[in-house]
Amino acid sequence: SQKIEQNSEALNIQEGKTATLTCNYTNYSPAYLQWYRQDPGRGPVFLLLIRENEKEKRKERLKVTFDTTLKQSLFHITASQPADSATYLCALVDNAGNMLTFGGGTRLMVKP
Amino acid sequence: NAGVMQNPRHLVRRRGQEARLRCSPMKGHSHVYWYRQLPEEGLKFMVYLQKENIIDESGMPKERFSAEFPKEGPSILRIQQVVRGDSAAYFCASAGPTNTGELFFGEGSRLTVL
Repeated sequence: SQKIEQNSEALNIQEGKTATLTCNYTNYSPAYLQWYRQDPGRGPVFLLLIRENEKEKRKERLKVTFDTTLKQSLFHITASQPADSATYLCALVDNAGNMLTFGGGTRLMVKP
Repeated sequence: NAGVMQNPRHLVRRRGQEARLRCSPMKGHSHVYWYRQLPEEGLKFMVYLQKENIIDESGMPKERFSAEFPKEGPSILRIQQVVRGDSAAYFCASAGPTNTGELFFGEGSRLTVL
């Protein structure tokens, strides 16, 4: 069956450190993969998109990698700040489909 | 440039009543998606619409749920004869005409069924 798996346990890190979140998928052939941020009681906000032929994408303190052999994407936040605390969702569009499918999200807590 | 607007933000219904959730996409966007999110869970795709057309409704329950995106006006997600299990946050998202992949989400409508 198709799955998009993110660590359901919260990730707690100290301010200033790099946060690394993982997204693994099974039985998908993604055209592209995206990362979103969701704060409590709010809608998700788009952060980054990476295509199947791209290995890495950066935006300010954010970096996403995409390994289609390992079927995994890593999402990094460098120099993390308490304001980065939120739930981060990965999502992908399969080559065979046309809708975005989401993982369960990982909650990040950055402590001052 | 107003974002995706959803209303109502909160809706309380008794079992058996109808719930209507409205979504106005961003200006110039012609693609609308509806997702459902249960507490502590991820977003589950329900339906993808373009103006006057349902493109993909593979995530919609076969009974009691329907969606439309008329030529004029907002997209509507309608839930008939609500049950307690329908309690969730319903998010609408829109994408532009070229549908580059990025979705713009509204703040959601939270349905509580008593």
